[in-house]
Amino acid sequence: EAGVAQSPRYKIIEKRQSVAFWCNPISGHATLYWYQQILGQGPKLLIQFQNNGVVDDSQLPKDRFSAERLKGVDSTLKIQPAKLEDSAVYLCASSFSYNSPLHFGNGTRLTVT
Amino acid sequence: DAKTTQPPSMDCAEGRAANLPCNHSTISGNEYVYWYRQIHSQGPQYIIHGLKNNETNEMASLIITEDRKSSTLILPHATLRDTAVYYCIVRGESSYGKLTFGQGTILTVHP
Repeated sequence: EAGVAQSPRYKIIEKRQSVAFWCNPISGHATLYWYQQILGQGPKLLIQFQNNGVVDDSQLPKDRFSAERLKGVDSTLKIQPAKLEDSAVYLCASSFSYNSPLHFGNGTRLTVT
Repeated sequence: DAKTTQPPSMDCAEGRAANLPCNHSTISGNEYVYWYRQIHSQGPQYIIHGLKNNETNEMASLIITEDRKSSTLILPHATLRDTAVYYCIVRGESSYGKLTFGQGTILTVHP
């Protein structure tokens, strides 16, 4: 089966600019997750969707980050405006259900200068 | 979800078994133990998971102690491509499916 697809693979922007990341989960996977991974740390959950509804966004900095999952399939994560500390790898993952393993994409590496 | 403790780093010789320990002394009865690994510049990769019985698949074996307070991931014949960060994660129903990652163990396989 095709894995989780993410784009772009790399992105460099200046602080205060905006950026968007795209994720296409594995077909049939109802649950979608966005994680942030800062260099040297484990991934941290930003937001979790079940179909097109939000299950958990408690660690999403809502003043600058937003995410949507229209039609319960693809998802986009946006940062506006970006800060230097947003430099990280943004990982998307999906799972068939709450009890199924998560499958991750290879992420988007964001550098904010 | 219960927290886990892993050694920061381990070494292993190519061809030998790699045994990665994990402590999860506060695990509760309905929480599973999951193992993921992350190779440089890639997303985390699912390896194996278990509740209380030992599990084996084509990648690895998972040994969970009888009291469930610790577990060991075994890579039977480590190769250079197994060099990665290995994460042990406890996942329960209260997490609604999410995984909470710690720092993991950096496994380095030497020729």
